[in-house]
Amino acid sequence: AQTVTQSQPEMSVQEAETVTLSCTYDTSENNYYLFWYKQPPSRQMILVIRQEAYKQQNATENRFSVNFQKAAKSFSLKISDSQLGDTAMYFCAFMSGANSKLTFGKGITLSVRP
Amino acid sequence: GAVVSQHPSWVICKSGTSVKIECRSLDFQATTMFWYRQFPKQSLMLMATSNEGSKATYEQGVEKDKFLINHASLTLSTLTVTSAHPEDSSFYICSARTSIYSGANVLTFGAGSRLTVL
Repeated sequence: AQTVTQSQPEMSVQEAETVTLSCTYDTSENNYYLFWYKQPPSRQMILVIRQEAYKQQNATENRFSVNFQKAAKSFSLKISDSQLGDTAMYFCAFMSGANSKLTFGKGITLSVRP
Repeated sequence: GAVVSQHPSWVICKSGTSVKIECRSLDFQATTMFWYRQFPKQSLMLMATSNEGSKATYEQGVEKDKFLINHASLTLSTLTVTSAHPEDSSFYICSARTSIYSGANVLTFGAGSRLTVL
C-alpha cells in the first residue's frame, strides 16, 4: 500500500517570499504520478501541479515548481512570490498508474501574511 | 476544461433518513468516479471507486450497505447515505476520471457536499 507523509501541519510565509512544502511517499510501484492540490476555504480541490514518475525533469507551473527526488521518494512544492490567494490547505497526493486511485497526505495549512 | 458538478452543496437531514448526493461530469464522459470523505481540517479519505455500468469497489472499512453508490451513466454517479446518523456528518467529495485515452491521470473534483445529520 502507498503512503504519503506531510510532516509539517502548518506554515506561514510573508507575501512575495518563497516557501517550500515537504512531502515524502512510499511505494513499490514504478508507474505512478504525484500531485499537489490546493484546497482554499471554499473547499474546492484545485490541481496545482503534477509530476509523472518516469520524467526526470521537475514540473513547473508559473510560480509553482516541484523538487522530485525519485530515489529518496521526496516530492516538495516550492511557491515563489507568494500571494495572499495562496493561503489554503495543500495536499500532496500519490496516484497509482494501475488504477488512478489517489492517496492523500494529511495536508499542510499555508498562511500568507500581508 | 473538464467540469464536475456536485449537488447538493449542503444538506441537513434528520437521523434515520437517507440522503442522495449527485456527481455529474458536465462536458466529458467519466468512465470512473471516486467518492471521498473529509472531516474538518483532515485529509480526504477514499471511500469507493465507481465504474459506469458495474458495482462500486469499496475501500476497506467502508460499509457498502450504508453508502450506496450507483454509476448508471457515463456522466452521473450518486452516493446515497442510508439511515444517516450524526456520525455520518461530513464533507463528501467526488472526482471523475475521463476515458483512459484522454488524460486519464488527472482527476477533476466536484465542489463537495456538506452533510449534517441532526
